[in-house]
Amino acid sequence: AQSVTQLDSQVPVFEEAPVELRCNYSSSVSVYLFWYVQYPNQGLQLLLKYLSGSTLVESINGFEAEFNKSQTSFHLRKPSVHISDTAEYFCAVSLDRGSTLGRLYFGRGTQLTVWP
Amino acid sequence: SQTIHQWPATLVQPVGSPLSLECTVEGTSNPNLYWYRQAAGRGLQLLFYSVGIGQISSEVPQNLSASRPQDRQFILSSKKLLLSDSGFYLCAWSVPRRGDTQYFGPGTRLTVL
Repeated sequence: AQSVTQLDSQVPVFEEAPVELRCNYSSSVSVYLFWYVQYPNQGLQLLLKYLSGSTLVESINGFEAEFNKSQTSFHLRKPSVHISDTAEYFCAVSLDRGSTLGRLYFGRGTQLTVWP
Repeated sequence: SQTIHQWPATLVQPVGSPLSLECTVEGTSNPNLYWYRQAAGRGLQLLFYSVGIGQISSEVPQNLSASRPQDRQFILSSKKLLLSDSGFYLCAWSVPRRGDTQYFGPGTRLTVL
């Protein structure tokens, strides 16, 4: 069985402050890891993903996440947030490393609210 | 470029009525297709996925069904809606390749009264 735990359902921060959104997963097999962002009443957009290689992955808008195999974590960080980062963030895992099925299993999401 | 469409955007239906949600993808061939449901505070749950025409796999037992009558068309249906079917339904597609990104549609907000 697999599960994804996002430890914080809500994270309020002030603009220009650093933020970390936590994600832990449980799986007996190697996984692919993803972070998606969802703005109100919209679909999800990929923020970044880890497939293999370097454990630190970055997005084009300043977010980064580090895969930690021993702690089974994939926390999302940004050193300085903007009001426009206000959104819901979802961590997801795919167990289908050996196939092309690509099924994703999501955490419950973390609502990031950035205050001026 | 590839695009994904879902309709309707919003739907209000009485309990016991039928349901048909449609998803179409443009600009790609033989995609993997997925239906997810997002309920408040519960994240996204994978409902169905399809790797080809007529090939549907269900992840969870429920009163919903899915069909793929054409390569780039994915339909979510129900014969009789339940209150618990309310939620935000998202369709997604991906290239059938290991680790490929899933691209999501704009979603359908379904309210069952």
